[in-house]
Amino acid sequence: AQKVTQAQTEISVVEKEDVTLDCVYETRDTTYYLFWYKQPPSGELVFLIRRNSFDEQNEISGRYSWNFQKSTSSFNFTITASQVVDSAVYFCALEANQAGTALIFGKGTTLSVSS
Amino acid sequence: NAGVTQTPKFQVLKTGQSMTLQCAQDMNHEYMSWYRQDPGMGLRLIHYSVGAGITDQGEVPNGYNVSRSTTEDFPLRLLSAAPSQTSVYFCASSPYSGGEQFFGPGTRLTVL
Repeated sequence: AQKVTQAQTEISVVEKEDVTLDCVYETRDTTYYLFWYKQPPSGELVFLIRRNSFDEQNEISGRYSWNFQKSTSSFNFTITASQVVDSAVYFCALEANQAGTALIFGKGTTLSVSS
Repeated sequence: NAGVTQTPKFQVLKTGQSMTLQCAQDMNHEYMSWYRQDPGMGLRLIHYSVGAGITDQGEVPNGYNVSRSTTEDFPLRLLSAAPSQTSVYFCASSPYSGGEQFFGPGTRLTVL
């Protein structure tokens, strides 16, 4: 079975704090892909990152960084020096063969950044 | 490129009515999917397609039909709307397996 768990339902931080959003996944496939999407209050889904199961390198993009650990089936997302504009719902998602190229989403983490 | 477009943006139906949510993409993507988003539930897969003429069910397919007669279009049909189908519906397309999924802006559907 394929499953994505985002245990943190809501997180509140003050601007400039660092915050980590957790994502744990389950799959029996050896080839799979992991994604993070952002959904701001306007409602659209914004692609942040894609990672395949053979690439465990961590990635940094500006204030965003991702930590992929196959040993713990986790793909965590860290925002450094958070800003009010980071307030959104963040979704982790898994694509594996059994879902035929469609995504299995976690339930999302709502991040609120206050000034 | 317009990307992925969805129509309508908003729709109100009465219980028992039928309707079709339209989804089109102009990126020549083989893979297309429909999801519904409900509060606290994330996005759940309804149906997906890996190419024209090929569709399959996702996690929550009951009450919905799809077909894929062209690469560009992937309409979602509600056969007999129920209040439980009140949701926001997203269509997505992807160029290949494991590729980025491009999402449409969504359709907010209310069934009374």
